[in-house]
Amino acid sequence: GAVVSQHPSWVICKSGTSVKIECRSLDFQATTMFWYRQFPKQSLMLMATSNEGSKATYEQGVEKDKFLINHASLTLSTLTVTSAHPEDSSFYICSAIQRRASTEAFFGQGTRLTVV
Amino acid sequence: SQKIEQNSEALNIQEGKTATLTCNYTNYSPAYLQWYRQDPGRGPVFLLLIRENEKEKRKERLKVTFDTTLKQSLFHITASQPADSATYLCARLSGGYNKLIFGAGTRLAVHP
Repeated sequence: GAVVSQHPSWVICKSGTSVKIECRSLDFQATTMFWYRQFPKQSLMLMATSNEGSKATYEQGVEKDKFLINHASLTLSTLTVTSAHPEDSSFYICSAIQRRASTEAFFGQGTRLTVV
Repeated sequence: SQKIEQNSEALNIQEGKTATLTCNYTNYSPAYLQWYRQDPGRGPVFLLLIRENEKEKRKERLKVTFDTTLKQSLFHITASQPADSATYLCARLSGGYNKLIFGAGTRLAVHP
């Protein structure tokens, strides 16, 4: 199957700083990437849909100014958590699909963010 | 609202038995349902997709059914092994870009 790589796997940052998470499709071009957040013992909650070369579409309740998404190429999307606070501590996961309306998504290994 | 629900938060079974997990949906008719496995601290891994016109899909020890009358999908693992212990998520596709909306997941523990 196709491989999606996330970096870093874990990060600890101070409150008020910004953190960037990268999501790369290694062996395919991803027209669309998705960002999810997962709190302990809860399911994945979709944050936003990211298409190459256009603005991301955010789900209701997700602050677009706080969670900046850039999908600069067909193999890279980044999520920047700006002015992070302890409540932003979570597991962030990206996924990618090879073409629009593809039914199979490939997931990264996730990034554990801890804000202290 | 359109909901996808996995009613069992956890399921404990003995090795060798068949594990059956349930996924229910309300207020819509999905064209597809998908099942994923997630291990702690990892991203989900795709297992099976079943279409609304398919009653059953199999892959090795895994079987998925789709009952549009009951609005339910069942996920079975036969001859379960401790290595099958994980969280299993069902998901539906939504919107033009086929974003995945997940159920809460069921944590399966297979005991030796």
